[in-house]
Amino acid sequence: DAGVIQSPRHEVTEMGQEVTLRCKPISGHNSLFWYRQTMMRGLELLIYFNNNVPIDDSGMPEDRFSAKMPNASFSTLKIQPSEPRDSAVYFCASSLVQGGSETQYFGPGTRLLVL
Amino acid sequence: KQEVTQIPAALSVPEGENLVLNCSFTDSAIYNLQWFRQDPGKGLTSLLLIQSSQREQTSGRLNASLDKSSGRSTLYIAASQPGDSATYLCAAKNSGNTPLVFGKGTRLSVIA
Repeated sequence: DAGVIQSPRHEVTEMGQEVTLRCKPISGHNSLFWYRQTMMRGLELLIYFNNNVPIDDSGMPEDRFSAKMPNASFSTLKIQPSEPRDSAVYFCASSLVQGGSETQYFGPGTRLLVL
Repeated sequence: KQEVTQIPAALSVPEGENLVLNCSFTDSAIYNLQWFRQDPGKGLTSLLLIQSSQREQTSGRLNASLDKSSGRSTLYIAASQPGDSATYLCAAKNSGNTPLVFGKGTRLSVIA
């Protein structure tokens, strides 16, 4: 099992540019989560999907952020336009919701720097 | 709204020492609680998951306990090793359909 795959691993961009982060969850998992981690705020949930349907996007900072999950094996998080305060590590995680004992598996993260 | 707190933020111990990491949560009606490990520059790895009906879980040198009434969980690490150096995060889940709420973690350094 390859685990959760994220790309790119590192992204450096200039303020105002569009950024797209990608995630491939573990095959067979039915829940997918996007998190953002910073030193100041720790790990914050941005949005999560169950069976490809967005369930809670209350953690999405503002309209500049959007996430999609067109199928069970792929999700994107887009920031448009990007700002320096978006600099953080973005993690994708997946789990199989099954009777309450689900464990979340995290990808390696995308380290984003907006100049 | 569930809030999870971990104190201290950082801890340094000599190799071989037994240690306890603390996690507290505000809403005792939790569904489960998980402990994760994060190495620098890496993602999180799940260590232990305790269901609300359980009081503890063990894996090797790690033992996690759960006391819902007091809103606390502890992660006990026996005979610590330098390889245990990492950030440890706990996370609480309030129901089967809600996401995990994470603490900010405790950064552990085990000195050889």
